This record gives sequence, structure tokens and C-alpha cells, in this order.
Amino acid sequence: QVQLHESGPGLVKPSETLSLTCTVSGASISRSSSYWGWIRQPPGKGLEWIGSVYSSGDTYYSPSLKSRVTVSADMSKNQFSLEVHSVTAADTAVYYCAKTGVEMDYWGQGTLVTVSS
Amino acid sequence: QAGLTQPPSVSKGLRETATLTCTGNSYNVASQGATWLQQHQGHPPKLLSYRNNNRPSGISERFSASRSGNTASLTITGLQPEDEADYFCSAWDTSLSDQVFGGGTKLTVL
Repeated sequence: QVQLHESGPGLVKPSETLSLTCTVSGASISRSSSYWGWIRQPPGKGLEWIGSVYSSGDTYYSPSLKSRVTVSADMSKNQFSLEVHSVTAADTAVYYCAKTGVEMDYWGQGTLVTVSS
Repeated sequence: QAGLTQPPSVSKGLRETATLTCTGNSYNVASQGATWLQQHQGHPPKLLSYRNNNRPSGISERFSASRSGNTASLTITGLQPEDEADYFCSAWDTSLSDQVFGGGTKLTVL
């Protein structure tokens, strides 16, 4: 059974960096030939893809967030991470880690990150 | 702002059939196919269908997806109270190099 779990601070100050980690169990992110990434959902709104890392380590980003986002993977720990730099209130959202791409069949429970001073 | 267009809300009666639509363009839905997700309040999305009509194991046959041109559709037959949820479509956009989503449709089962 594949499980994903997000971890990281729930409160970030404006202009600082939001950092989250996703720990995957039940599947190897390096051997799965899959995309693993981050999707966010502002309160009461829709879903937005942020970026993904492929099993090879290649990364892909949403054009609208590319300048502020870094997605990376630690294959030895079966984890992948997200950094969003220079955050503002507009970055307040539930952040999900998920198996992304066409077949988005595994999702974490999501973690609410609030940007506020 | 959503890349794909979905009606904000659909209401249908118990045991009726609902058809939800998702309109994109030749760079996303028409060429790449659509993925459909169901989300209940307070829970993560759940995959219902991918590449137009591939259902993961465990998803009821009451959920079926299709595509015609730039528009993808999700049909839910025999509506049950537990089908009341938000439904999102998504597709890879080859022009934008972006995974785009629809704004979501809130399905109410009366």
C-alpha cells in the first residue's frame, strides 16, 4: 500500500521560504518510473500544480511558479521536497504531495501552510 | 485562474445520472486526454479516471469518462448520497508545459 506523508511548518512569515517534505512508503520513487510532485489548494478554491520530480531526478515546474519554486528528491530516503521562496499571503494553501502526471493515484493527506506575520 | 473550464455546480436527484463537463483545447484535453478527480470536503482528491476512460481498481463502474474533441466528460450513473463532492479535471498542456486543472464542479445529490 503506497502512502505519502507531508511534513513541515504550518506557519511561514511573508518574504520567507516555505519548506515541505514528503515521505513515501510502499513504493520506490527512484524505481517507479513515475512523477512525484506537489499540488496546492488555497482555502475554498481549486487545485494548482506546483512542480514534480521524475524517478530519474529530472524536475518540472509550473511556469507561473517556476521562478520561486524548487522541487528536489532524496532517493536514499525515499523523500522529495518543496521550497517556495519569497512567500506572500497568496501562497496560503493546503499543500499536497502526490504521484503526479496522468495517473494521480496516490496523495498525501495535505498540510495547511499559512503565510502570516 | 483555471486552465480548463468546468461548470461551478450541478444538481441531480438520487439515482439519477449526472454528466460533468471539462472544456480545454487542442493542446491539452484533445491531445493528452483528461484525468478526473473526486474530492470530499476535508479530504485529498481521489483518482476516478485517467487518459479519458481508464478507471483505477476499486472505482465503481458507475463512473465513466469520455472525450469528444476539446471536451472531456464524466458520467455518474445511479447517483448516491456519497457522490456529493467536488470534481476536478486535469490535463497536461503541451503548449504551456503545465499541468492544468479545471476550477471544479460541485455536485449536489438531491
